[in-house]
Amino acid sequence: AQSVTQLGSHVSVSEGALVLLRCNYSSSVPPYLFWYVQYPNQGLQLLLKYTTGATLVKGINGFEAEFKKSETSFHLTKPSAHMSDAAEYFCAVRFFGPGGYNKLIFGAGTRLAVHP
Amino acid sequence: EAQVTQNPRYLITVTGKKLTVTCSQNMNHEYMSWYRQDPGLGLRQIYYSMNVEVTDKGDVPEGYKVSRKEKRNFPLILESPSPNQTSLYFCASSSPQGGGGYTFGSGTRLTVV
Repeated sequence: AQSVTQLGSHVSVSEGALVLLRCNYSSSVPPYLFWYVQYPNQGLQLLLKYTTGATLVKGINGFEAEFKKSETSFHLTKPSAHMSDAAEYFCAVRFFGPGGYNKLIFGAGTRLAVHP
Repeated sequence: EAQVTQNPRYLITVTGKKLTVTCSQNMNHEYMSWYRQDPGLGLRQIYYSMNVEVTDKGDVPEGYKVSRKEKRNFPLILESPSPNQTSLYFCASSSPQGGGGYTFGSGTRLTVV
């Protein structure tokens, strides 16, 4: 079955420290991979995505993620955390089926806290 | 501006009173979907539609109905809401192929008392 696992429901870092949010997926075929961010009381905003090509993708706000097929992972990183990065982050995987069917499956989310 | 519009943003209702949450997109997308978001569970798919008059159940369809009479609209209907349907709901749309992600609406926070 297709699934997405985010390791750590809560992550806390100091301002200026490295941010690492982990995402693993299960799929028998290469999927499309996404990270979304949700700020308090807001909707979902696309941070970055991987479809094909270069496995290291850069997104908005200084975030990047690397697709590692052998590890079935798509971890999100940012070299230096900022207070404004505090939010909930969702990893999502888009699976395709016959007849145009597709589905976006989400991980449970990781809430990132940034402290001074 | 390309967008998905949901209404209302906030709704408090009583158990058993039928309600509809509207969703409209202006991108001519074939694919639309409804999700609910609950703490610790992420977003789970309720229903989806691959085109006009084509809908199917997602992972958590119980207690919900949808319809797709026009390409741009995909309303979510709760015939008899119950407290366990208190949640944050998102509508999304996408093209069926390609690497684009989904475009999400701003969400509807529903409370059933």
